[in-house]
Amino acid sequence: AQRVTQPEKLLSVFKGAPVELKCNYSYSGSPELFWYVQYSRQRLQLLLRHISRESIKGFTADLNKGETSFHLKKPFAQEEDSAMYYCALIDQTGANNLFFGTGTRLTVIP
Amino acid sequence: DAGITQSPRHKVTETGTPVTLRCHQTENHRYMYWYRQDPGHGLRLIHYSYGVKDTDKGEVSDGYSVSRSKTEDFLLTLESATSSQTSVYFCAISDPSGVSSYNEQFFGPGTRLTVL
Repeated sequence: AQRVTQPEKLLSVFKGAPVELKCNYSYSGSPELFWYVQYSRQRLQLLLRHISRESIKGFTADLNKGETSFHLKKPFAQEEDSAMYYCALIDQTGANNLFFGTGTRLTVIP
Repeated sequence: DAGITQSPRHKVTETGTPVTLRCHQTENHRYMYWYRQDPGHGLRLIHYSYGVKDTDKGEVSDGYSVSRSKTEDFLLTLESATSSQTSVYFCAISDPSGVSSYNEQFFGPGTRLTVL
């Protein structure tokens, strides 16, 4: 069965420090993974997806099939990065339903 | 923001009363979803729709029903609300056949429901 694990509920880093939000997954097929972000009082929005291999707002995430991981990284954290981050995996066998991890709340300390 | 609205945005109700939440989209996307967001659980899928009158259950469907009589509207009903259904409810839409939004889901602003 598909599963997404985010081991850290809370993560605090100082401004300018590197940040890594961990995500591990379990999926029998070829996974399609996403990172969604929810800023305070805003709706959930897509940050990036692995198939695009893009960098959004300085964030990158590489799919590591050997370690079944999709960690989100940024070399220099900014205060505006403080938000709730969700890793999600899509179930490609049905209606493209998303399975979310439990989320990590990132706080960037000035 | 994609053209997705939810109503009401906030609701307080009592145990045992019926509640209906509405999701409205102007994007003509085929798929619509209802999630609930709870601390420690992230977002969990309640029900989804893959077309008008075509719906299916998600991970946490007990106590919920849905209807989709037209493309733009997806209703979530709690037949008899319980305190365990206190949550934030998010609607989402997607159009996997679209060129620019491959498998991306767009989310509504959420509805905060409190069941006393």
